[in-house]
Amino acid sequence: AQTVTQSQPEMSVQEAETVTLSCTYDTSESDYYLFWYKQPPSRQMILVIRQEAYKQQNATENRFSVNFQKAAKSFSLKISDSQLGDAAMYFCAYRSAKAGGTSYGKLTFGQGTILTVHP
Amino acid sequence: EPEVTQTPSHQVTQMGQEVILRCVPISNHLYFYWYRQILGQKVEFLVSFYNNEISEKSEIFDDQFSVERPDGSNFTLKIRSTKLEDSAMYFCASSPLSGNYGYTFGSGTRLTVV
Repeated sequence: AQTVTQSQPEMSVQEAETVTLSCTYDTSESDYYLFWYKQPPSRQMILVIRQEAYKQQNATENRFSVNFQKAAKSFSLKISDSQLGDAAMYFCAYRSAKAGGTSYGKLTFGQGTILTVHP
Repeated sequence: EPEVTQTPSHQVTQMGQEVILRCVPISNHLYFYWYRQILGQKVEFLVSFYNNEISEKSEIFDDQFSVERPDGSNFTLKIRSTKLEDSAMYFCASSPLSGNYGYTFGSGTRLTVV
């Protein structure tokens, strides 16, 4: 079974600074997808960024980028120019790409990292 | 932008009562899911549903739980006899296909069992 680990329960950053949230995962599969979700106090789950494991290029979405290290099974999220609205819980998640596999379709989440942004 | 709609947003129920949580997935999506998040903990997979049947379920999804797509638009989660430990946020999600799409999550139903 796949597992996802976020080793930082809490992180903080000054407004306009950069912060990196860590995520590692364990899988025996070679083809999968990785995601970062943001959960603000409203508890809505918002997709921040996604990465396909077969792509070597790191995904970017505006101020959000990832550092995907497939061999190390690491998938960190970098938030540049942090804003007060970035304060939230961030979840890393894994999804198998294997059709018919036991974990096909479902997301496996990490424990989450609470990000605080200081003005 | 299309949304996944969940009702109610908050439900309080007595222990032992049945509850039905409702979801309207995005209309052209094919895969539907329920997830649970106990306060302050991680989000846990409950069940996935495709082609009018369960495609996968977790060990949490025992005989007390059931899902249904009664009319081609709604997707419901029923808990037959609620326990205190069922208190959690329940998220419905849908996906157009599997693959690199992240899901679209609903805004959740906060279930409180007293």
